Amino acid sequence: SQQGEEDPQALSIQEGENATMNCSYKTSINNLQWYRQNSGRGLVHLILIRSNEREKHSGRLRVTLDTSKKSSSLLITASRAADTASYFCATQGKTSYDKVIFGPGTSLSVIP
Amino acid sequence: NAGVTQTPKFQVLKTGQSMTLQCAQDMNHEYMSWYRQDPGMGLRLIHYSVGAGITDQGEVPNGYNVSRSTTEDFPLRLLSAAPSQTSVYFCASSYSIYGTEAFFGQGTRLTVV
Repeated sequence: SQQGEEDPQALSIQEGENATMNCSYKTSINNLQWYRQNSGRGLVHLILIRSNEREKHSGRLRVTLDTSKKSSSLLITASRAADTASYFCATQGKTSYDKVIFGPGTSLSVIP
Repeated sequence: NAGVTQTPKFQVLKTGQSMTLQCAQDMNHEYMSWYRQDPGMGLRLIHYSVGAGITDQGEVPNGYNVSRSTTEDFPLRLLSAAPSQTSVYFCASSYSIYGTEAFFGQGTRLTVV
């Protein structure tokens, strides 16, 4: 399975600190995506990074991809209480009909 | 712009009952999918569709049926509900199956007693 697995499962930090979450996967991918889910809500797309990219930024978010290690990281800088949510990585394989597979997620708590 | 709309938001079923979860999108997306979310397991793909008239199975298809008669709608049918199908169900759509972001509905919380 190409399923991603996030690490850690849960993370608690103070407001203003940086939060780093990692995702590891097993087989070669075409792209990897990060999503956020607030409690009781649907998932919201954050960033998509393709296998030929190493780093992408979006506002306070920075995503890196290391295909040699089959891993990705999501960094949230200067965290806010509103960043409290679950974060999921999702991977898609190299063939055109490969399904998007989600990992179990990291639960982030940002304490004001 | 409504995006992806799921109905109902909550549902309680008795074991053996059948029902249909509705999903509609207004973005003219070709790709639609259904996931179930259980604690500690992330989202697992049930069924997906790459366009009207085309559906395929995901990771956990047993006990569920889908059809895609129009681009907009992708209903999920539970044939004979079982307690193991208690879960939160999400519908998602994207412009294409490959390498594009998915838009999710708000979810349907289903309890089977």
